[in-house]
Amino acid sequence: KQEVTQIPAALSVPEGENLVLNCSFTDSAIYNLQWFRQDPGKGLTSLLLIQSSQREQTSGRLNASLDKSSGRSTLYIAASQPGDSATYLCAVEGAQKLVFGQGTRLTINP
Amino acid sequence: DTEVTQTPKHLVMGMTNKKSLKCEQHMGHRAMYWYKQKAKKPPELMFVYSYEKLSINESVPSRFSPECPNSSLLNLHLHALQPEDSALYLCASSPLGTNEKLFFGSGTQLSVL
Repeated sequence: KQEVTQIPAALSVPEGENLVLNCSFTDSAIYNLQWFRQDPGKGLTSLLLIQSSQREQTSGRLNASLDKSSGRSTLYIAASQPGDSATYLCAVEGAQKLVFGQGTRLTINP
Repeated sequence: DTEVTQTPKHLVMGMTNKKSLKCEQHMGHRAMYWYKQKAKKPPELMFVYSYEKLSINESVPSRFSPECPNSSLLNLHLHALQPEDSALYLCASSPLGTNEKLFFGSGTQLSVL
């Protein structure tokens, strides 16, 4: 059974810092890995999708990497802004459909 | 239009009530999903519809009854719910196939008294 773990559970950094969020998964037989953002009480917004054959994807200040063999992904956020404050979830798609991690609650302090 | 619209945004119901949650998308997506999310937890898959047919039911209790009247609409009928069913209910859609992004609605915050 696929298990997805995100570390840390919460992170607070000053504005302007670069930061890395981590995601690990136990079964490397995946189709893709997605990073989502969720604001409190709201739905999820897909940020990046990395296919299993890819190593990374970039969108603006966000860069996500995937190392399928080691079961790891990272989300790099450059020059963080207060508007980046949210919960970030990673999810892997495989035979069990999407399996989500518990999320990292990110706070960017002005 | 890249939105998934859910109504109502908030719902309070008693354990004997019958209510319905609605979800609509006009992106031509042929896969639609219901997720349940408890506070500070990740979303849990409930149902998946592919081409308007139920393809996945994650052993959800029968007091939750999904319906997909057409390719743009998805309903979740609720009856005799329990207080522990209180949660954020999220609808999502995607094109069929792997490696497709999911588009989520803003959810319905449900409270069962």
